[in-house]
Formats: sequence, C-alpha cells, structure tokens
Amino acid sequence: DARVTQTPRHKVTEMGQEVTMRCQPILGHNTVFWYRQTMMQGLELLAYFRNRAPLDDSGMPKDRFSAEMPDATLATLKIQPSEPRDSAVYFCASGLTPDGQSGQPQHFGDGTRLSIL
Amino acid sequence: GIQVEQSPPDLILQEGANSTLRCNFSDSVNNLQWFHQNPWGQLINLFYIPSGTKQNGRLSATTVATERYSLLYISSSQTTDSGVYFCAVYSGGSNYKLTFGKGTLLTVNP
Repeated sequence: DARVTQTPRHKVTEMGQEVTMRCQPILGHNTVFWYRQTMMQGLELLAYFRNRAPLDDSGMPKDRFSAEMPDATLATLKIQPSEPRDSAVYFCASGLTPDGQSGQPQHFGDGTRLSIL
Repeated sequence: GIQVEQSPPDLILQEGANSTLRCNFSDSVNNLQWFHQNPWGQLINLFYIPSGTKQNGRLSATTVATERYSLLYISSSQTTDSGVYFCAVYSGGSNYKLTFGKGTLLTVNP
C-alpha cells in the first residue's frame, strides 16, 4: 500500500532553534495537509495545499511557522524560532481534490513527534 | 464550523466483548473517516464512509447521513484494538479540512 512518509519521526531541540519537518505525499495525490495534535486542542489543521499552491494556512502562527511545497513530492513545515508550546505531534496527510459533492479520503503519515525544551 | 461529538469518551472492555462507538455531526458531510490511533501514535485509516455500511474483518461502520451520525462496531475485541478512535468529517466547500472529534479512548483488557 502507498503511504505518506514523514521525517523525522522524532525531534528534540532547544527553544529558539529552527525545525524543519518533511512530508512525501502519496504519488498522484494533489492535496496535502498539515495537522497538529496536542492534548489540549486535539487534532487541528495548520495548512493545506492543492496542486502545490497554499489554499489555507489560517491555522498557523504566521510569525514563526511556514509551509511550502517545493515540488509535488515534498512538503515542508518549518518553525523558526521554535518555542516550548510548539511541542506536539505534527501529521501530514494527502488526498485527491474532492469533486463537487463527492469527498475523498485523506491518508495520514506516521507523524513527527516534536519536543522543544 | 461543523461540530463533531464522539461518545463515549472512554470505554473499558474485556477481551472478546463487542462495542459500539458513536459519532454525531452537526451538518451534512462529504467525507467521514474513522481512524484508530494506536499506542505508538500512528493514525490508521479504518473506514472512509460518508454514507452506507462497510465491513472489514471484526470492524464495521455505518453512516446515516440524513440523521447525521456514524457508528463504529468492534466485535470480539482484542487487546490490540486498544487506543483512541477518531471520527473526522469534511463538510464540503473550498475548505477541504477534516474536523476531528475528541475521540473515544478504548482499553481492552486481557
């Protein structure tokens, strides 16, 4: 089965450091999503892309977070500078664009567990 | 935005028991997915089920879209079924995001 691949699986770093998380979506999928999971907020959307174009990043703190898709096989989420409150699990998901009234499933990677000390 | 409520929040079972998890949502949906988050934190796709009934081994799911709920059935539960079960929905429009419920924490004891 094709899978969404995320790297790294775990990251521990000190406050103020830059963090880059990477995602390889399933080949052929044209939508990519970044979600964050915390105990307090649960799973929430940070940003999503369609055909590599950012469509919605309203869930991201703009001053420190940035999301990009340099090409169709790579999505990145960067935090600079990182803060302890950014500690969470970050999931990438990919899928196909829903068609009118028809939805499409999203497929999740295994996540990056981020700890900011 | 759309609201997603899952019940029960916690469930403890003995191995071999059956269970039903419920997901209520506040608006019509184009996408509904059930996930299992295992103890290692992986989100495993169980079902994509915006309507109708599907079965996969000991698990089955039913979504009654007109009444805005979905049910996940687990039969003959095993300890490996332990974890958190999430329901997530997408309600259409240009925003494709999934809105997740808070999950049901299932513990299956041997």
